[in-house]
Amino acid sequence: DTGVSQDPRHKITKRGQNVTFRCDPISEHNRLYWYRQTLGQGPEFLTYFQNEAQLEKSRLLSNRFSAERPKGSFSTLEIQRTEQGDSAMYLCASSLVAATNEKLFFGSGTQLSVL
Amino acid sequence: GQQVMQIPQYQHVQEGEDFTTYCNSSTTLSNIQWYKQRPGGHPVFLIQLVKSGEVKKQKRLTFQFGEAKKNSSLHITATQTTDVGTYFCAGKSGGSNYKLTFGKGTLLTVNP
Repeated sequence: DTGVSQDPRHKITKRGQNVTFRCDPISEHNRLYWYRQTLGQGPEFLTYFQNEAQLEKSRLLSNRFSAERPKGSFSTLEIQRTEQGDSAMYLCASSLVAATNEKLFFGSGTQLSVL
Repeated sequence: GQQVMQIPQYQHVQEGEDFTTYCNSSTTLSNIQWYKQRPGGHPVFLIQLVKSGEVKKQKRLTFQFGEAKKNSSLHITATQTTDVGTYFCAGKSGGSNYKLTFGKGTLLTVNP
C-alpha cells in the first residue's frame, strides 16, 4: 500500500494522559499536514511541514499539542494532558507541491476518545 | 480569518434525482478543491478549480468556480447509491499557498 498510513486507528485514553500518533506519508511527498475532524464538521487545519520544517501552526492549537517530522519522513503528533475536548478524528495528509496544483492525500485517521 | 460555508448541510434524494451543493467563501480564493468522504472513510480528492468561471466535468459530476472566485458548486446528475457521502469544498486564499480551509460539508444520502 503506497498511501498515507496512520497509527493507531483508534486510541482510548483517560483525561490527563499523553498520547502520540504517527503518520507515514506517501514517500515522495514533501508536505505533510495534520487536521482534526469532529462529527459533522470539515477537517480543521492544525499544522503543516515542508520537508522537516514545521512552517505553520494553527492559532487554535494549544501548547499541549506538538508535532515533529524528523528527517522529513514520518511525523508524530503528541497531545499532552489530554482533555475531553480533544476527542476527535486526527487526520494526516501529504502532498507533492507542484506549481499551483496541490492535492492532499489523506490517511484513514486516528480516532481519539478521551474519557 | 477565512471562512468557507456550504449549503445545504444535508440532502436526501431518490436515486436518479439530481443533487447540488454550494460553497461560499468570505474571501477571494486562489483555488478551490472538492473532496468526498464516504461514511467511516477519509476525504478523497475529487478536483481542483483555479480560473475564474471555470467549469469542469467528471462523468455525472459538474464543478463550477464563480466569476469572483468566492463561490463554487458541485452538481451531480442522476444520483446513484455510490454517490453517498459528505462532499467538502476547501479553499486557499490568495495570501496562503498551503492552508486549505474546509467547509462543513454536505451529507448526501440516496434512497434506492
